[in-house]
Order: sequence, then structure tokens, then C-alpha cells
Amino acid sequence: SAVISQKPSRDICQRGTSLTIQCQVDSQVTMMFWYRQQPGQSLTLIATANQGSEATYESGFVIDKFPISRPNLTFSTLTVSNLSPEDSSIYLCSVGTGSSNREELFFGEGSRLTVL
Amino acid sequence: KNQVEQSPQSLIILEGKNCTLQCNYTVSPFSNLRWYKQDTGRGPVSLTIMTFSENTKSNGRYTATLDADTKQSSLHITASQLSDSASYICVVSAGSYIPTFGRGTSLIVHP
Repeated sequence: SAVISQKPSRDICQRGTSLTIQCQVDSQVTMMFWYRQQPGQSLTLIATANQGSEATYESGFVIDKFPISRPNLTFSTLTVSNLSPEDSSIYLCSVGTGSSNREELFFGEGSRLTVL
Repeated sequence: KNQVEQSPQSLIILEGKNCTLQCNYTVSPFSNLRWYKQDTGRGPVSLTIMTFSENTKSNGRYTATLDADTKQSSLHITASQLSDSASYICVVSAGSYIPTFGRGTSLIVHP
């Protein structure tokens, strides 16, 4: 298993500013992911954070808007840049562990962002 | 396109009653199916995980079933408690760490 700490748990930001979310894991993990969950919607993968290399972004998400850092195997940050009200959402950090066929995903508590 | 459909979208039951949530998927190839519970304002927490060869898995009052032939799964909650009020998310994996998520069923348990 993995215990994931996310900060901040919630924030209210002004339009045009940026918010950086931190994700700390209690063990070294290779696979770390950032998700967005809009109200009433399922989780949408933003990017896979790879240690020592650039993050891999999903369709519809770009590095300029969602820069990600992964300096080591236990930590990552997601920045949501140039905020607009449409960015109001819950952002979740996730890590993958386990063997083939039984891979597990563990999630942080989420960071609830409100943009005014 | 891989999809996971959950029903009902929301459900209200009285404390102590049983309920069943449904999940239909079109994910291929199939690796495993998981049910998560997400309390309001919290991250999802895994309840059960089933691979192709497993057709039932229990975790306390939660019992998940899987029919890989019809690509259907259900989550049965027995003797519901107020703390069961949450969103229940069906997640189907094609063998990587990037699965397909359902939209979830919002369950409200009333006293």
C-alpha cells in the first residue's frame, strides 16, 4: 500500500494566478499520476509524472497550463497556471503499485480548487 | 473506445437496507476491475479488485461480482450504514496503470 499526502487540501484563488499542489508518498514509487475530477464527473487523467524526465500529458492537457515536477521517487508537484473559473475542480495525486494484472492505484485526499 | 457505465447515477436508501450498484464496461483487453469508495471531499479508497478469473470478492459488508462474459459487475452493500453514504466508482483496467473510470453512483443512506 501507499500513503499519499496532498497539500493544500483546498484553496480559493483569483483568476490569472497559479496554484501549486504538492504530493508526498511514504514510499518510493515509479508510477505517479495527476487526475482532475470536476463536479459530478469521473476522474480524468491529466498526466503521468515520470521521475527524471518530462511528464507525459493526456490529450487536452498541455505542459504550459499544467507544469509538473517529479524530482524524486516520493514527491511530485502539479501547477495549475493562469487560472480561470473553468479550472475549479478537485485535483488528485495517485500512485500505482503491485504486479501485473493486479496493479493497484492509491489516491491522495485531493486538492479542491475554487477560482473566482 | 473504452467506456465504463454505472447505474444508477444516484440512490437513496434507508439505514439497514441492502442495495446493489451496477457497472457495465467495454474495456478491452480486460485486466482487472476495481470498486472504489469516495467520501465527500476525500480521495477514492479501493474496496475490491477482481481479475478475469474471479467472479466474486467480499470486503466486509461489500460484495462485488464480475461476469467477464457479459462485461458486467455489481457491488452489493449489505445492511447499509450511514457511513456508507459516498460515491462508488467502478474502475476497469486494460493492463496498465491508466484505467477507465466510471462516473460513479452517489449513495445516500438515511437514518
